[in-house]
Formats: sequence, structure tokens, C-alpha cells
Amino acid sequence: ILNVEQSPQSLHVQEGDSTNFTCSFPSSNFYALHWYRWETAKSPEALFVMTLNGDEKKKGRISATLNTKEGYSYLYIKGSQPEDSATYLCARSGGGADGLTFGKGTHLIIQP
Amino acid sequence: NAGVTQTPKFQVLKTGQSMTLQCAQDMNHEYMSWYRQDPGMGLRLIHYSVGAGITDQGEVPNGYNVSRSTTEDFPLRLLSAAPSQTSVYFCASSYSLRGAGMNTEAFFGQGTRLTVV
Repeated sequence: ILNVEQSPQSLHVQEGDSTNFTCSFPSSNFYALHWYRWETAKSPEALFVMTLNGDEKKKGRISATLNTKEGYSYLYIKGSQPEDSATYLCARSGGGADGLTFGKGTHLIIQP
Repeated sequence: NAGVTQTPKFQVLKTGQSMTLQCAQDMNHEYMSWYRQDPGMGLRLIHYSVGAGITDQGEVPNGYNVSRSTTEDFPLRLLSAAPSQTSVYFCASSYSLRGAGMNTEAFFGQGTRLTVV
């Protein structure tokens, strides 16, 4: 089993502040890195899927970067809002058909 | 579009009972999978399928069976429920070339909260 590690496990951020968290993963046989947002009582929803080293993707106030050579990805949230409160999951896909390996997530709480 | 539909949303079983969790998708995705979510753990892959007639085991397959007779449906069967199978189950689908890695997003169902007593 190839572990995907996320840090921190949880994070409290003041509304309006910017924040970031980390996903680290095995770089061998890498195919793609996924980020999902998972709100309480809902299902995970995709934010980004990245495949290339140096990839940067952005959706509104949220962006992500990817380093496949050293095996890490950062997720950034600029100007946090209460609706950003959620668990953020990253997942790694290898080159085969055996699905995604998920990290345990970073639980983000935005405090007004 | 309905996306990925899972039923039931909640279920309580007695130890030893069997049941089937249903999953259907209307996006014509080849790839479908089942995960379980337990406290303090990431989503863990139970079984997956790269297309109709093809299934394979994931990380935690023991105690579960799957079949894929159509592209749309991917049911998960618990053969003889045990308390260790108390969990939240998610079905997911994605467009993925058969045999290749997942470079497109996965779409998840709403989840089934299963309690085995």
C-alpha cells in the first residue's frame, strides 16, 4: 500500500486569512494527484486533478501546485470564508487501474 | 443529471445478515469503485471495475462481493455482516481508459451509513 500523507490533520483559520496545507505521496509510478472538498453530510467533490510536474491549477480563491519529482502537492485558500469549512482530501493515482489512494484529509474550520 | 445514485442512505443490520448496497451512474463511465470511510482513516478501496464484466479487489475486499453486469450498475454485497463492517460506504465513478490511471475526477454517491449490531 502506497501511503498518502496529509498535514495538518486539522486547522483553525480566521475568516479573511489565507492558508495552505500539504499532501505528500510516493513519486514512483505516479499518474495523477486529485484534490477533493468534502463537506459534512455531503459527498466528496473534485477540486483539481493534476498530472504534470509543476502543474498549477486555480478555481476562484483556491489553487494547488504539484511536484511529482519530490512527491508533494500544496493546496492554498486565499481570503478564507466560512463556506470553505470542510475536509480537504488528496488522492494519488498510480499508472494502473487500481483506483485512488486517499490521504486522511485536512479538516479546515474557518472562524468568523 | 442524477450522477451517481446510492441506496440506501442508512441501514442497520444484525450480525450474519446479508445485504446489497446499490450504486448506479448515468454518465456512461467505465470505471466504478466502492470505498469505505472509517474514523481516523482515509477512504479505502474495497472493489473496483474497469468496465462491464470486469471486477477486481482493492485494499480491503474481505467480506464483500461485487459484480458488473452493465455499465451503469455496480452493486456491493455484504455476504455475512460483521460489526467490523460498520462504516460509511461510498460508490464512485469516473471516465478512465481501461487499464490506465485516473486522470479525470471521480464522482461520488451520497454515501450509505451502515451499522452492524
